[in-house]
Amino acid sequence: KQEVTQIPAALSVPEGENLVLNCSFTDSAIYNLQWFRQDPGKGLTSLLLIQSSQREQTSGRLNASLDKSSGRSTLYIAASQPGDSATYLCAVNSGNEKLTFGTGTRLTIIP
Amino acid sequence: KAGVTQTPRYLIKTRGQQVTLSCSPISGHRSVSWYQQTPGQGLQFLFEYFSETQRNKGNFPGRFSGRQFSNSRSEMNVSTLELGDSALYLCASSLAYGNTEAFFGQGTRLTVV
Repeated sequence: KQEVTQIPAALSVPEGENLVLNCSFTDSAIYNLQWFRQDPGKGLTSLLLIQSSQREQTSGRLNASLDKSSGRSTLYIAASQPGDSATYLCAVNSGNEKLTFGTGTRLTIIP
Repeated sequence: KAGVTQTPRYLIKTRGQQVTLSCSPISGHRSVSWYQQTPGQGLQFLFEYFSETQRNKGNFPGRFSGRQFSNSRSEMNVSTLELGDSALYLCASSLAYGNTEAFFGQGTRLTVV
């Protein structure tokens, strides 16, 4: 059974700093891994999708990496802004379109 | 291009009642999945439909059911509502079955009183 862990549960950083969010998973047999952000009371916004054959994906100030063998992914956010404050979730697709989610990291950017 | 649309956005129901939630996927997407999000359990997979067939089901009681129509729109139904069913219900659509990006709607906030 796939299990996904995100540490830390919460993180506060000053505006302008670079930061890294972590995601680990127990079963390396994955199809892909997806990072989402969720604003309070809202749905999930897809940030990046990394296929199992890829090592990293980039979109603007965001960079996600994937190390399947160690069961880890990181989301790097450069030059953080107050608008980046949200909960960040990683989700692993192990097949059958079922996503297994981590519990998320609540990020607060301090102006 | 319209995103995933879920209706209604908010619902308040009484214990014992039933409820139906609707999800319209992104045009051209054929896979629709449903998730329940609660503060205690996080996001949990309910079921997934592709071409009107349920392909995968999570570990939820039979009170939770769903279906998908020929236009890929999906509904989920919860019968005999319990207080613990209060949650944000999220629908995700993807282009095809297997290994594609999932896009989520804004969710339906269900409150059972």
